[in-house]
This record gives sequence, structure tokens and C-alpha cells, in this order.
Amino acid sequence: DSGVTQTPKHLITATGQRVTLRCSPRSGDLSVYWYQQSLDQGLQFLIQYYNGEERAKGNILERFSAQQFPDLHSELNLSSLELGDSALYFCASSDLRTSGASTDTQYFGPGTRLTVL
Amino acid sequence: ILNVEQSPQSLHVQEGDSTNFTCSFPSSNFYALHWYRWETAKSPEALFVMTLNGDEKKKGRISATLNTKEGYSYLYIKGSQPEDSATYLCAPNMNNNAGNMLTFGGGTRLMVKP
Repeated sequence: DSGVTQTPKHLITATGQRVTLRCSPRSGDLSVYWYQQSLDQGLQFLIQYYNGEERAKGNILERFSAQQFPDLHSELNLSSLELGDSALYFCASSDLRTSGASTDTQYFGPGTRLTVL
Repeated sequence: ILNVEQSPQSLHVQEGDSTNFTCSFPSSNFYALHWYRWETAKSPEALFVMTLNGDEKKKGRISATLNTKEGYSYLYIKGSQPEDSATYLCAPNMNNNAGNMLTFGGGTRLMVKP
């Protein structure tokens, strides 16, 4: 158990809908990362937040947005869902204070499996 | 787009065999390389973080080496056990200024037969 929690575990929805995925980082971690794992692709970095502010952005679609709240939990919002958005969405967290950014270990949550029908 | 390649894609070995696989990445703008182990139905688990050319890390029967000049890292497993069956992912951090953005390779899926 990494200490990172994600809810829900599974989510089934229809095309065109909007969903919110939630992540609580490890106690004390300030940075949160979101990744997408599709069937035909590896783990793709979406976005990173550090202490409430966006820190790095990957190939995140405009239909997707995220935020990190003052209590450091994060939400990933996916809207106008398409069949191709079906994937496993991981959240990870790291401390990012005691070591340099590049060597900071990211701890992954259990993931949310999204199925769009 | 950063090109991170892992080979082989999959590997079947017998219990007790030693094995190794490769991660290749662009050698310019390199800051660190992360190795993760990902078991089926679980989440990726960090193995090593490596930064220096020639660096070698070890955790039990698993070890890794790093060559930043030519852009590759090897992961070795000595005396493979069935519980080593997992997908092994490498992820370089190529831009320290962009937070800690990791680019994951496709992984090497290892299956160890008892």
C-alpha cells in the first residue's frame, strides 16, 4: 500500500458525460501527478500539481482538467467523454521537497478504471 | 516527443534463471532514470532512481546500471522467482525544469515459470 488513495475504483459511464476522479496523496506529499494507461499505450503523463499550482503539463486533452485543493487532494475532471477515453487513470504523489525534482520518487495509487460505453 | 524504448517487450524464463532487459532513452538533457515494477492488478512500485553515469543500484536480487552518455540502462534479475513476474518500466526525467515529468517506456513483461 503506497498511501495514495483514489476513488472510485471503477467507473462506467456513457459517451458525452462528465466524470470526476479523486486522489488523496500520501500524508505530507505536496505534489500530485495524473497518468493515463490506455490499452494500446503505456503510462502517459497528463499533469502535475505542486502545493495547489500546476507544475508540469503533458499531452492532456482540452476536455480534461485538474486541480489540487488546499488540503492537497486532487481531482481530475473528464468531460465530453469519448470511447477512447476508456483507460486506467493513476494518481501518484511525491514529496518534492527533500530531494531534487528529477530524483523524487513518485508513489502510485491503485488507479481508477474508467469505461465509456 | 521523447522516445523511450524497452526491450524485449516480453520475456519468459524458468525459475532460477538470471535475466536482464534494456531501457534506451535520448542521452541529451538527462536528469534521472526511474525504474518501476508493476504487478498485474496492482499499481507501479518504485525500484530505483539513478542519476550518475556508471551508477549501479541493487535491491535484493534486482540490480540496475546506467549509462547516460549513450542513453541506456540495464535491469538485472538474478535467480528469477515466480514472484518476480511483473512488468518492469523505466522512465527518464529529461527536463528538470518541468517539475518531475516522467516519460515511461512500454515496459518489459517478465513471466517466470516455476
